[in-house]
Amino acid sequence: EDQVTQSPEALRLQEGESSSLNCSYTVSGLRGLFWYRQDPGKGPEFLFTLYSAGEEKEKERLKATLTKKESFLHITAPKPEDSATYLCAVQATSGTYKYIFGTGTRLKVLA
Amino acid sequence: NAGVTQTPKFQVLKTGQSMTLQCAQDMNHEYMSWYRQDPGMGLRLIHYSVGAGITDQGEVPNGYNVSRSTTEDFPLRLLSAAPSQTSVYFCASSLTGTETYEQYFGPGTRLTVT
Repeated sequence: EDQVTQSPEALRLQEGESSSLNCSYTVSGLRGLFWYRQDPGKGPEFLFTLYSAGEEKEKERLKATLTKKESFLHITAPKPEDSATYLCAVQATSGTYKYIFGTGTRLKVLA
Repeated sequence: NAGVTQTPKFQVLKTGQSMTLQCAQDMNHEYMSWYRQDPGMGLRLIHYSVGAGITDQGEVPNGYNVSRSTTEDFPLRLLSAAPSQTSVYFCASSLTGTETYEQYFGPGTRLTVT
């Protein structure tokens, strides 16, 4: 069964303290892996798509990487405005139209 | 571009009542979907559509109905509301479902069933 697991569930960082969020996935074949940011009371907002192992993408203080089993979202020198829930999702080669989401990591960055 | 819009933002229903959650997108996206988000369970797919006139079930379809008569609109109907349907509902769209495109989400509808 296709599955996505995110860790940790919650993370508190001091401003400027870099860290990484993990997304482990089990799928029969990967079409794409997505990262989203979700602020309280709002819908998820797209960040990145990764397609194959070894791929990396960056946006401001965020960098997403992909291996055959997991993806990492690296946050470098975070600021309080980076506080949000970060969601990972995969689209498998089977069940083409379906996206499978993890439960997310709640990030709090303290000033 | 308004993106994906959802109405209402909040709704309280009594058990057994029916209602329709509205979703519209102005990006000419083929693929649209409905999710529910519950604490500790992530986003779960209820129904999806790959184009006007075509819909299919997701992971948790029971108690919900959808139709897609136009490209823009994808309403979700609760047939007879139950407390277990208390949740936050998100509508999303992407260019197509057959290629790997990101989804764009609406702002959500917070539904409480008493």
